Amino acid sequence: AQKVTQAQTEISVVEKEDVTLDCVYETRDTTYYLFWYKQPPSGELVFLIRRNSFDEQNEISGRYSWNFQKSTSSFNFTITASQVVDSAVYFCALTPGGSTLGRLYFGRGTQLTVWP
Amino acid sequence: DAGVIQSPRHEVTEMGQEVTLRCKPISGHDYLFWYRQTMMRGLELLIYFNNNVPIDDSGMPEDRFSAKMPNASFSTLKIQPSEPRDSAVYFCASSLAGPNQPQHFGDGTRLSIL
Repeated sequence: AQKVTQAQTEISVVEKEDVTLDCVYETRDTTYYLFWYKQPPSGELVFLIRRNSFDEQNEISGRYSWNFQKSTSSFNFTITASQVVDSAVYFCALTPGGSTLGRLYFGRGTQLTVWP
Repeated sequence: DAGVIQSPRHEVTEMGQEVTLRCKPISGHDYLFWYRQTMMRGLELLIYFNNNVPIDDSGMPEDRFSAKMPNASFSTLKIQPSEPRDSAVYFCASSLAGPNQPQHFGDGTRLSIL
């Protein structure tokens, strides 16, 4: 069975603080893919990053960084020096690699509010 | 490149009416997905298509829901008859083949059934 857990329902920070969004996943597949999506107040879902299970290298893109640890089945997302525009719901998702169908299993999301 | 296009953006209708949601996927994408998002249940996959063929419709809540993909550039999700509990945001997404391919989402249709 595939499962993604985002234990933090809501997080509030003040601008310029660093914030980490947690994601823990469950899968029996040895090959799988992890994704993060952002849903701003306007409602659309925006793809942020993809990571495959064979690549545990952390990734940094500007103020965003992702920490993938297979040992703890986690794929956490850190925003450095947060800004008001980062306020959104962030979803972590998993696709098992055993299938070509690309079905995404989403977590429930974390609502991030960044206050000025 | 145009993204996934959904219409309408908002729909308000009365219980019992037929509702049709439309989606145009990104050109060249092999897969098309319909999701429903509610506060209670989060993002739920309703159905998805591969090369216009429905692959898995196990997420479709009941017979009142139906989806079609007559060609590679168009899909519809129909609810007949609609009920207040169908109120939600409905997303369409498309992707290239392969589990490593990200899904690209439309802006969603916010549906309210009165």
